Amino acid sequence: KNEVEQSPQNLTAQEGEFITINCSYSVGISALHWLQQHPGGGIVSLFMLSSGKKKHGRLIATINIQEKHSSLHITASHPRDSAVYICAATSAPNYGGSQGNLIFGKGTKLSVKP
Amino acid sequence: GAGVSQTPSNKVTEKGKYVELRCDPISGHTALYWYRQSLGQGPEFLIYFQGTGAADDSGLPNDRFFAVRPEGSVSTLKIQRTERGDSAVYLCASSLDGLGKQYFGPGTRLTVT
Repeated sequence: KNEVEQSPQNLTAQEGEFITINCSYSVGISALHWLQQHPGGGIVSLFMLSSGKKKHGRLIATINIQEKHSSLHITASHPRDSAVYICAATSAPNYGGSQGNLIFGKGTKLSVKP
Repeated sequence: GAGVSQTPSNKVTEKGKYVELRCDPISGHTALYWYRQSLGQGPEFLIYFQGTGAADDSGLPNDRFFAVRPEGSVSTLKIQRTERGDSAVYLCASSLDGLGKQYFGPGTRLTVT
């Protein structure tokens, strides 16, 4: 079992729909990251959070530390949101691993149709 | 300002050859990470530098892989006796202090024929 699990693996939505991508993790973490990867490989960091909720434009990320779960929401989705969204965890020092390196989920491939 | 850059963007090599992949982190970032991403998979950690030293190299798959960062800025990932299974996109990322947001380079796509 991966230490970071994402669902769904693939997601197709119509333009304008509200989208949710889920991430659960089994390690102790110091932070949870949501990343966006467009075809061609470039990875952009969307959010880094350790508690609560963050919002940037149409994107919202939430985390529940007790339940070891995070969600990424996209409101009013648009075809340009089509990408792979990756959840990654920075493991806490006392859970092993070096401080800082990321443990990645396998990603969610999102396709938004016009 | 300039982001993380990686060279080359693509590298095709024959099985058994030696390759070097270069990463230029954001100026002033002390932490540098190498990851490897195989087709259809999420990235996997290889090695993490804090300054000039490798703070964690536990992700390197075997002793054919080695990385250096002699002056605490540019890093080179070196792969000896390449195998077809080494084919992947090699990603580099840097962060200011190893605790914050990581900024990724565009990656180097390595193909071993």
